[in-house]
Amino acid sequence: GEDVEQSLFLSVREGDSSVINCTYTDSSSTYLYWYKQEPGAGLQLLTYIFSNMDMKQDQRLTVLLNKKDKHLSLRIADTQTGDSAIYFCAERAGGYNKLIFGAGTRLAVHP
Amino acid sequence: NAGVTQTPKFQVLKTGQSMTLQCAQDMNHEYMSWYRQDPGMGLRLIHYSVGAGITDQGEVPNGYNVSRSTTEDFPLRLLSAAPSQTSVYFCASSFFRTGFVDTQYFGPGTRLTVL
Repeated sequence: GEDVEQSLFLSVREGDSSVINCTYTDSSSTYLYWYKQEPGAGLQLLTYIFSNMDMKQDQRLTVLLNKKDKHLSLRIADTQTGDSAIYFCAERAGGYNKLIFGAGTRLAVHP
Repeated sequence: NAGVTQTPKFQVLKTGQSMTLQCAQDMNHEYMSWYRQDPGMGLRLIHYSVGAGITDQGEVPNGYNVSRSTTEDFPLRLLSAAPSQTSVYFCASSFFRTGFVDTQYFGPGTRLTVL
């Protein structure tokens, strides 16, 4: 079946890099997404990567995809307090008519 | 564009009551979906629709009904609320023209408590 797993919590110091990891099981996934949820708000799309790519960079964000290991990571450079949020990994799966979400990683940024 | 809107923002129900959570989008998206978010479990798909008149079940459909009479609206009905339905509910929409779910846009959520 389809499953997406993430660690639940990450704590980093302001200015350091954050790396949030995700594993997925559906090898037919074509797109993988990272969403950000700030307290009391809905999910906001941060970035996505197509399955034929290994890496995608977008300003402070770097997404790495290892298709062989079905492992996805999101790196945030120079992490700021405004980056404190829950980050969700999601894969397009199940015949491509739905997204499967991980449980979310809560990123806490401290001074 | 207002994007995806949801009402109400908060709701408290007693066990056995019914209610409808409203969701609307003004982006002409074919695909709309409802998720519930529970602590430590991420988002789980309740129901989805790929166009007006077409709906289907997601992972956790029991206790919920949906209909899609227009492209813009996708209400979620709780027929007889139970404490297990206490959750935050998100509506999302996306294009579906190629037959694939495109990038999903989320509403702000409805926080529901069932006593």
